[in-house]
Amino acid sequence: QQQVRQSPQSLTVWEGETAILNCSYENSAFDYFPWYQQFPGEGPALLISILSVSNKKEDGRFTIFFNKREKKLSLHIADSQPGDSATYFCAARAGGSNAKLTFGKGTKLSVKS
Amino acid sequence: NSKVIQTPRYLVKGQGQKAKMRCIPEKGHPVVFWYQQNKNNEFKFLINFQNQEVLQQIDMTEKRFSAECPSNSPCSLEIQSSEAGDSALYLCASRQGANTGQLYFGEGSKLTVL
Repeated sequence: QQQVRQSPQSLTVWEGETAILNCSYENSAFDYFPWYQQFPGEGPALLISILSVSNKKEDGRFTIFFNKREKKLSLHIADSQPGDSATYFCAARAGGSNAKLTFGKGTKLSVKS
Repeated sequence: NSKVIQTPRYLVKGQGQKAKMRCIPEKGHPVVFWYQQNKNNEFKFLINFQNQEVLQQIDMTEKRFSAECPSNSPCSLEIQSSEAGDSALYLCASRQGANTGQLYFGEGSKLTVL
């Protein structure tokens, strides 16, 4: 049973467009949702995160929109750049800051110039 | 650039051999996690520590996996008898204490079991 689902599996956008990556979850106890960016051959890097008490979080070109009722969130990458081409993972956590993260399987983003 | 240091970056083992990976968490981060990321991008939580104590771990019923975070030494993850299915990227992550939940990952150790 996959608790965190991501869609699409892969996404291609043109440079300058907004990429929208989706994530949904099943466990109502999840209260913290980080997004990680991973380049081939590297470890995941924390990009942006949101707590379930908020419905939006912005950091530069990256914005998370969160819908608690529908158990859905999305990552919007504005003005996409070729350097944003990577795999993006949505993760979720329940049970406090020492609890494990549960990851989705990722969305592979390609930004064409 | 990651401040969580993992070594070695790559290791190749034959089936039945031991595989050992090390991790130096970011300075001042007392909480350490180990994850396994397979070729299908599935992350599997293995174990986490706060200082030297285990907080949570999966049921390593096969007893092939062991991990520790000794005082003043790198943390380590060891597979006693490697199997082909253990081929994966092993990721170490660390977190500050207090209430911040942000995990910072290292580059990983890529294990290939032939």
